[in-house]
Amino acid sequence: ELKVEQNPLFLSMQEGKNYTIYCNYSTTSDRLYWYRQDPGKSLESLFVLLSNGAVKQEGRLMASLDTKARLSTLHITAAVHDLSATYFCAVDIFWAGGTSYGKLTFGQGTILTVHP
Amino acid sequence: DTGVSQDPRHKITKRGQNVTFRCDPISEHNRLYWYRQTLGQGPEFLTYFQNEAQLEKSRLLSDRFSAERPKGSFSTLEIQRTEQGDSAMYLCASSFGQLSTDTQYFGPGTRLTVL
Repeated sequence: ELKVEQNPLFLSMQEGKNYTIYCNYSTTSDRLYWYRQDPGKSLESLFVLLSNGAVKQEGRLMASLDTKARLSTLHITAAVHDLSATYFCAVDIFWAGGTSYGKLTFGQGTILTVHP
Repeated sequence: DTGVSQDPRHKITKRGQNVTFRCDPISEHNRLYWYRQTLGQGPEFLTYFQNEAQLEKSRLLSDRFSAERPKGSFSTLEIQRTEQGDSAMYLCASSFGQLSTDTQYFGPGTRLTVL
């Protein structure tokens, strides 16, 4: 069964610092998602990574995917308080025919707190 | 508002009662998903529909859980004879269903509390 593990689970950062969240998964997948969740709210899509070596950036967040290592990273540059949230990675398992199955398996989430 | 909507947002019920939640997906999306999220965990897949067909339901937690999408638009998730362990956030998501644009967009969720 597919397992998705995030590291660290809790991250306390100072504003202005850089850090990386890691997402490891246990089986072959070419599609990985990053979501953000604010307390009491639903999930907001951040990135979709579709192939090995994919890199996407939005503001202070950059996500990458290494399918050979079964690893994705979410890098935070010069953190600001507004980035405080829980971040989830999720992996999608394809059907053999190449069509997305759509069943996402999520990691446990990384709770990020950015302090002044 | 063109996002995914869910109703109700909160539901408090007594153990043993039946509850039903509704999800309205983004209008042009043909795929609809249900997830459950307990405190401190990531969402857990329950079931999904492509149009009105339920293509995966093995993850529904027990035979007390059932889901429908009768006309391929909105969906309902019913839990019969609720138990305290059913207390969670129930999330609905929808997607267009094409290979290149398969991002799932989540609704605000229904928070269920079973007393």
